[in-house]
Amino acid sequence: GESVGLHLPTLSVQEGDNSIINCAYSNSASDYFIWYKQESGKGPQFIIDIRSNMDKRQGQRVTVLLNKTVKHLSLQIAATQPGDSAVYFCAEKHTDKLIFGTGTRLQVFP
Amino acid sequence: EAGVAQSPRYKIIEKRQSVAFWCNPISGHATLYWYQQILGQGPKLLIQFQNNGVVDDSQLPKDRFSAERLKGVDSTLKIQPAKLEDSAVYLCASSLGLPTDTQYFGPGTRLTVL
Repeated sequence: GESVGLHLPTLSVQEGDNSIINCAYSNSASDYFIWYKQESGKGPQFIIDIRSNMDKRQGQRVTVLLNKTVKHLSLQIAATQPGDSAVYFCAEKHTDKLIFGTGTRLQVFP
Repeated sequence: EAGVAQSPRYKIIEKRQSVAFWCNPISGHATLYWYQQILGQGPKLLIQFQNNGVVDDSQLPKDRFSAERLKGVDSTLKIQPAKLEDSAVYLCASSLGLPTDTQYFGPGTRLTVL
């Protein structure tokens, strides 16, 4: 069926360290994947996306890796900052429908 | 550029009452989405409009939920009558219209049904 899941509900990292948030998806026909960041009281904010014909894409301090063999997606945040504290969702797009996972809460401590 | 606007931000009602939410998408965005986000979960699509036509409403509980986008710009989502399980954040998003166009989300309306 169509489902997107995350391995860890909460991730705690020290400021300055790198963060890795993982996501598993089940629909092998999905062709587009997006990471969103959601801060408390706000709507999801687009971070980075990747198409299924790519395995890596880099942005500013963020990198998304896609492993289609094991249907796994990860978001890497370099030099994590307090402002990165939020819930992170991966989402897959299939037949123009965006399907979100449950989310991982990232906590950054000094 | 102004973002997606939603109102009200918060609403508290009793079960069996009705409620309506309003969304103003980003100017020029043809596609508008309504999502329901239950606490601790990711957003779930309720309905998608392309201009003023419905593209997908397969997950909209049509016995109590309705939505319209009459002039292809603003949209309203209504619940009548509300149930306790409708307590959630209702998010509106918009995009230019192509499948890989980014969806931009509004701040949401937090609904509490007592």
